[in-house]
Amino acid sequence: EVQLVESGGDLVQPGGSLRLSCVASGFTFSDYYMDWVRQAPGKGLEWVGRSRNKVNSYTTEYAASVKGRFTISRDDSKNSVDLQMNSLNTEDTAVYYCGRLLNNAVDVWGQGTTVTVSS
Amino acid sequence: DIQLTQSPSFLSASVGDRVTITCRASQGISSYLAWYQQKPGKAPKLLIYTASSLKSGVPSRFSGSGSGTEFTFTISSLQPEDFATYSCQQLKSYPLTFGGGTKVEIK
Repeated sequence: EVQLVESGGDLVQPGGSLRLSCVASGFTFSDYYMDWVRQAPGKGLEWVGRSRNKVNSYTTEYAASVKGRFTISRDDSKNSVDLQMNSLNTEDTAVYYCGRLLNNAVDVWGQGTTVTVSS
Repeated sequence: DIQLTQSPSFLSASVGDRVTITCRASQGISSYLAWYQQKPGKAPKLLIYTASSLKSGVPSRFSGSGSGTEFTFTISSLQPEDFATYSCQQLKSYPLTFGGGTKVEIK
């Protein structure tokens, strides 16, 4: 079964850091681009960033709202993609999803992990 | 950035109704558009990719059309399990963006 499982969500103070992880199973992880998408409470979906595959040199893209603060990395040997989040603020409070890219769409989503930034 | 304007943002419909949602892009995105369904507390699910391709296993009552800047998502006969929020996403250029969502509720 193709599956993505996120972890690492927590309550963190403004200015703090957090690392989210997404572990894949059921497919050849190294072949795929992986995205992070978030959803603030009661709001719509917001794309956060992308990790390309090895063929494309593991390059990354980020939304302007997180660029310079968030970093996506992946470890194909562990079938995982991480989201390192620094300098967190209350606007980063959201459910964070990882997703697999296929045919120019996110065809598989994780269940999400909740990040709350509050003092 | 490419803005996606979804309309309506909310619609009330009955089982069996035909439902149409529009997604307009602020600039041309060819067919790089996907449609997702999301139920409360759950992750989104892909329904349509490249504007009109139905993901395997998705019921045929769901369809998508359009290219360039105007896109349409249709449910031909609304079923009880279809009451959810539907969102479009453009994957033509960075930053990728989503429409604001359309909540489909029971009339």
